[in-house]
Amino acid sequence: GEDVEQSLFLSVREGDSSVINCTYTDSSSTYLYWYKQEPGAGLQLLTYIFSNMDMKQDQRLTVLLNKKDKHLSLRIADTQTGDSAIYFCASPRGAGSYQLTFGKGTKLSVIP
Amino acid sequence: DTGVSQDPRHKITKRGQNVTFRCDPISEHNRLYWYRQTLGQGPEFLTYFQNEAQLEKSRLLSDRFSAERPKGSFSTLEIQRTEQGDSAMYLCASSFRQVHEQFFGPGTRLTVL
Repeated sequence: GEDVEQSLFLSVREGDSSVINCTYTDSSSTYLYWYKQEPGAGLQLLTYIFSNMDMKQDQRLTVLLNKKDKHLSLRIADTQTGDSAIYFCASPRGAGSYQLTFGKGTKLSVIP
Repeated sequence: DTGVSQDPRHKITKRGQNVTFRCDPISEHNRLYWYRQTLGQGPEFLTYFQNEAQLEKSRLLSDRFSAERPKGSFSTLEIQRTEQGDSAMYLCASSFRQVHEQFFGPGTRLTVL
């Protein structure tokens, strides 16, 4: 099966909160990442969380990590139309590896 | 700091031709990575350099693919005898020493006809 899984689509109204979920299989991952990709562009590192943390907040972004269930989520508060993009969850393939494994991405559509 | 740059941004080629892409990492970043992204998928790791040494290679990197980073700065990715299945976005990323974050370039979109 996939090492990193995400739901493929999410649609929210402007001003609402968005929650994008991810599950991963490698329990030795030291960091877990969220990247954003706009159409035709490369990936932008949004935020990351260290594996010994449960939560990290960065302005409108909140990352929650449940290590027991190997579940990661990204919450975007007050979602704006500029947040419309594909969001990827990524984890290193094994402790000490620099090889990132990405999910298929969640396409976030923000309705004005 | 201008970020990771890649050249060309788009490449159209005929099946069987060779293509070469270039990646310039962020200045002083000693680690450089190549990923491939096909439509509707996340990026897949291809290979990784620390300075000029190629330290990790994916099994996705067939014999037709070769990557180099001769002076530990820019890198090239060559695909020989291209096939239609090679059509994808080729992404380059870099990171600095022990810092774990990888910063991506805009990618080179390859179309093989």
